[in-house]
Amino acid sequence: EAQVTQNPRYLITVTGKKLTVTCSQNMNHEYMSWYRQDPGLGLRQIYYSMNVEVTDKGDVPEGYKVSRKEKRNFPLILESPSPNQTSLYFCASSFRREDSPLHFGNGTRLTVT
Amino acid sequence: DQQVKQNSPSLSVQEGRISILNCDYTNSMFDYFLWYKKYPAEGPTFLISISSIKDKNEDGRFTVFLNKSAKHLSLHIVPSQPGDSAVYFCAASGAGKSTFGDGTTLTVKP
Repeated sequence: EAQVTQNPRYLITVTGKKLTVTCSQNMNHEYMSWYRQDPGLGLRQIYYSMNVEVTDKGDVPEGYKVSRKEKRNFPLILESPSPNQTSLYFCASSFRREDSPLHFGNGTRLTVT
Repeated sequence: DQQVKQNSPSLSVQEGRISILNCDYTNSMFDYFLWYKKYPAEGPTFLISISSIKDKNEDGRFTVFLNKSAKHLSLHIVPSQPGDSAVYFCAASGAGKSTFGDGTTLTVKP
């Protein structure tokens, strides 16, 4: 089954404790991206990757890191989480960036206390 | 500067009637537009898209209309069904950017 898998689904952590949210896709997609969803703000792009070893900032990259060492994996890293990073996070992938629909994971609900 | 706006946070319609969801954009470089549907506890799923060279695209009960001069697109669902109750996001891409609206929560009452 074609899918984007994010883990964990729920995560509660404390300020400053490094964490990683994993994302994996099995569709051989070149393009992958991370979004956060906040009430009244819709889906905002954090980082994206056009292909292996190529990553770029989205609209809200501050406080986040990503890596794309393999085509299928695109982890999101929070080196020192803060309460304003409490949000619902989605990983997505697509065949191409601009004219291909995105396939989303089921989301990771992160709470930073 | 929000480049894609969905001005109605919510919409309620009766089963069997038409649902019309609207979306406005400001960046004339956008040339591909998509609608996604999102149920609680799930990620958004792709519904329908349209490129800027068209003004209408239809897929079953779902039709997307694009008015480039007004920078406006709309999603029509006919007939609406209770299972269509969800949050609908419009998205626009082009010139190296992809941007989402805030979403509209559609409730279809039986």
